[in-house]
Amino acid sequence: AQTVTQSQPEMSVQEAETVTLSCTYDTSENNYYLFWYKQPPSRQMILVIRQEAYKQQNATENRFSVNFQKAAKSFSLKISDSQLGDTAMYFCAFMKQNPGQNFVFGPGTRLSVLP
Amino acid sequence: NAGVTQTPKFRILKIGQSMTLQCAQDMNHNYMYWYRQDPGMGLKLIYYSVGAGITDKGEVPNGYNVSRSTTEDFPLRLELAAPSQTSVYFCASSSPAGGYTFGSGTRLTVV
Repeated sequence: AQTVTQSQPEMSVQEAETVTLSCTYDTSENNYYLFWYKQPPSRQMILVIRQEAYKQQNATENRFSVNFQKAAKSFSLKISDSQLGDTAMYFCAFMKQNPGQNFVFGPGTRLSVLP
Repeated sequence: NAGVTQTPKFRILKIGQSMTLQCAQDMNHNYMYWYRQDPGMGLKLIYYSVGAGITDKGEVPNGYNVSRSTTEDFPLRLELAAPSQTSVYFCASSSPAGGYTFGSGTRLTVV
């Protein structure tokens, strides 16, 4: 079975600064996907970024980038130029590569961006 | 484009009552899922379906039932509500290519 660990229950960052959220996972699969989801107080699950395990290049989406270390089973999220709207819960998630697979979520990190 | 629609958004149940959480998607996705999210936690899979007429248990299925009579609908049934079922429930669907869409959630309180 796969497990996902997020060791930082809460973090805070000053507006315009950079913050990194940690995620590690355990799997025996070789091909899989990794995700970061954002959940603001509205409860909506919003996809931030996605990484295919077979790709060595780290995924980037505007101010969001990941550091994917496959051998170490580490998948951290870096948020640059933090904005007040980034305040939310952030969940790291794992999914096997086969169609129709479900997510395995980490427990989440609550990020507060301070003015 | 509605995506995944969940109803109701909020509900309070008394212990022992029953209810059905509705979920509908209009993207013709074969795969649908029900997750629950307890306070301060990530989502856990309750049940999933890979197509009409096919359902299977996830990580935390006890106390729930599902059906999938059509591609569009995937209702979740609570037969005898218990306080441990107080949670936020998310329905989701996905395509074979992996595009995943979540509903906006149902907050259920059992008192």
